[in-house]
Amino acid sequence: KAGVTQTPRYLIKTRGQQVTLSCSPISGHRSVSWYQQTPGQGLQFLFEYFSETQRNKGNFPGRFSGRQFSNSRSEMNVSTLELGDSALYLCASSPTPRGGQGTQYFGPGTRLLVL
Amino acid sequence: KNEVEQSPQNLTAQEGEFITINCSYSVGISALHWLQQHPGGGIVSLFMLSSGKKKHGRLIATINIQEKHSSLHITASHPRDSAVYICAVAETSGSRLTFGEGTQLTVNP
Repeated sequence: KAGVTQTPRYLIKTRGQQVTLSCSPISGHRSVSWYQQTPGQGLQFLFEYFSETQRNKGNFPGRFSGRQFSNSRSEMNVSTLELGDSALYLCASSPTPRGGQGTQYFGPGTRLLVL
Repeated sequence: KNEVEQSPQNLTAQEGEFITINCSYSVGISALHWLQQHPGGGIVSLFMLSSGKKKHGRLIATINIQEKHSSLHITASHPRDSAVYICAVAETSGSRLTFGEGTQLTVNP
């Protein structure tokens, strides 16, 4: 089976712009979680989706949003970008409905730089 | 105090040494994960535990639910084991993961 794919892999934006990142889970996985990784805060949970429903949301401002489509692909959007949004954004898929309670399969990540 | 604490933060070993990384957590959990992250960012799931012990090749993970503690052991360490090892827990109240800060392991030949 193909692994989790994320596009784009690298992205440079300027403050105030918005960005959309995409994640395609492993075939058959309906649970997708998103994480942000920065040198200062480490890995932090953003969202979890299962069957097009948001199951959990982390402690991030409303500028961070996401959705999941009927084919389980997921997107996350960040509006009005700030310098502090520069990070590695990772998504992970899981075969279990509760993502964190099953093995997580991570994508390669999207590295976002905000100038 | 972080909900998930790892020690040590940095670890340097000689090839062949036995390595232990520790993880303590303060919340009730439904599962604990050990992850490996290589330079470049890719993360691989090594283990998911809810009780007892698991072994995969040279890696062993244990968890003590009563003491809220888990350990990751690497036997006969090798330079290719050099990576950041991250402990993460899924709380019983939900399935979101909370992560430790990671342990940077360097194994010298």
